[in-house]
Amino acid sequence: DGGITQSPKYLFRKEGQNVTLSCEQNLNHDAMYWYRQDPGQGLRLIYYSQIVNDFQKGDIAEGYSVSREKKESFPLTVTSAQKNPTAFYLCASSPPVAGDGYTFGSGTRLTVV
Amino acid sequence: DQQVKQNSPSLSVQEGRISILNCDYTNSMFDYFLWYKKYPAEGPTFLISISSIKDKNEDGRFTVFLNKSAKHLSLHIVPSQPGDSAVYFCAARRFKAAGNKLTFGGGTRVLVKP
Repeated sequence: DGGITQSPKYLFRKEGQNVTLSCEQNLNHDAMYWYRQDPGQGLRLIYYSQIVNDFQKGDIAEGYSVSREKKESFPLTVTSAQKNPTAFYLCASSPPVAGDGYTFGSGTRLTVV
Repeated sequence: DQQVKQNSPSLSVQEGRISILNCDYTNSMFDYFLWYKKYPAEGPTFLISISSIKDKNEDGRFTVFLNKSAKHLSLHIVPSQPGDSAVYFCAARRFKAAGNKLTFGGGTRVLVKP
């Protein structure tokens, strides 16, 4: 079955540490995205990538970094510069013209302890 | 600047009745609108969409209405079922937006009571 796999499902980070969230897709989609969900604030775009070796900042990119070395993979690193990293992180992908929008992964809940 | 707003954070409805979820947008360049359904600790799943050239799209129990002049869309669920209890997000895409980016509203939590 095609889909998007995010891992881990739960992640705990100590203050000052960097952590990397994994996102893998086997849908052969060109575009991939990272969103963050906070209570009552919907989904906010962190980074997106339209093609391998290229990515763009979204609305809240500060404190995050990404890479896109393979079409299937779009890992997100939450750095120590992110002041409020505790949130639910969602990865998504879409073909170039997605009439039906994105396919989302099941998410990673990151908690800073 | 919140370009897509869902002003009702929650909605409670009796099983079998109609659920109406509302969404307002400010950017007139949005040309495609989508609704997603999300259960706790899961990713959103696509529900239904509508192009700006239409004013209604129907799929089974779900109908989306678009009023471009008012920059307003709504999702009707008839009849509501307990399994419809979830958070619903409205999303919009800007015409020729780079990377097919979607802008999401804050979500409406729906509770369907048996």
